[in-house]
Amino acid sequence: NAGVTQTPKFQVLKTGQSMTLQCAQDMNHEYMSWYRQDPGMGLRLIHYSVGAGITDQGEVPNGYNVSRSTTEDFPLRLLSAAPSQTSVYFCASRGSGLYEQYFGPGTRLTVT
Amino acid sequence: AQRVTQPEKLLSVFKGAPVELKCNYSYSGSPELFWYVQYSRQRLQLLLRHISRESIKGFTADLNKGETSFHLKKPFAQEEDSAMYYCALSGDFNKFYFGSGTKLNVKP
Repeated sequence: NAGVTQTPKFQVLKTGQSMTLQCAQDMNHEYMSWYRQDPGMGLRLIHYSVGAGITDQGEVPNGYNVSRSTTEDFPLRLLSAAPSQTSVYFCASRGSGLYEQYFGPGTRLTVT
Repeated sequence: AQRVTQPEKLLSVFKGAPVELKCNYSYSGSPELFWYVQYSRQRLQLLLRHISRESIKGFTADLNKGETSFHLKKPFAQEEDSAMYYCALSGDFNKFYFGSGTKLNVKP
């Protein structure tokens, strides 16, 4: 089991560019989520999904889109990157009826 | 509004000393409280959950609803406990709120 995988590990974007952060899990978890971590602020929930075809907003959803077409994958899209989106992004998953979240290794994104 | 506060950014103790990492929260309801830990070069992982009332790696945490606190304690710190510790809460297991983290440094 690879657990939760994220690609890329590092990314530099220019303002206005778009990109997709990939997240995949091989544990058949129904719940998946995206967080951003900024210095001194801990992790903040961006979007989450409770199953294929179902997504909802978290605490800081603006500027990000998500979709969940399969149980395994939960990509995060930045349509027009802004310097304020410079952060470390973490994906996590959790099995139905379970409380423990499993985190990916993170993607460090810099927007110049 | 939901909020998790960890007042200490850095906590340094000597090996064998007791350690307490503070966590205070605000939430309108009865949340579930968690402690997550991130060791150097490892992923964030669950340490313990309050409702389990278990001791993991010698750590315990007691939920004090009156003081809205969930402090993490260990009577005798070990060097391998050095890590970032995050307190988190959730009301519905869908939305999770994390504190800003405390870096624990256990000195030899």
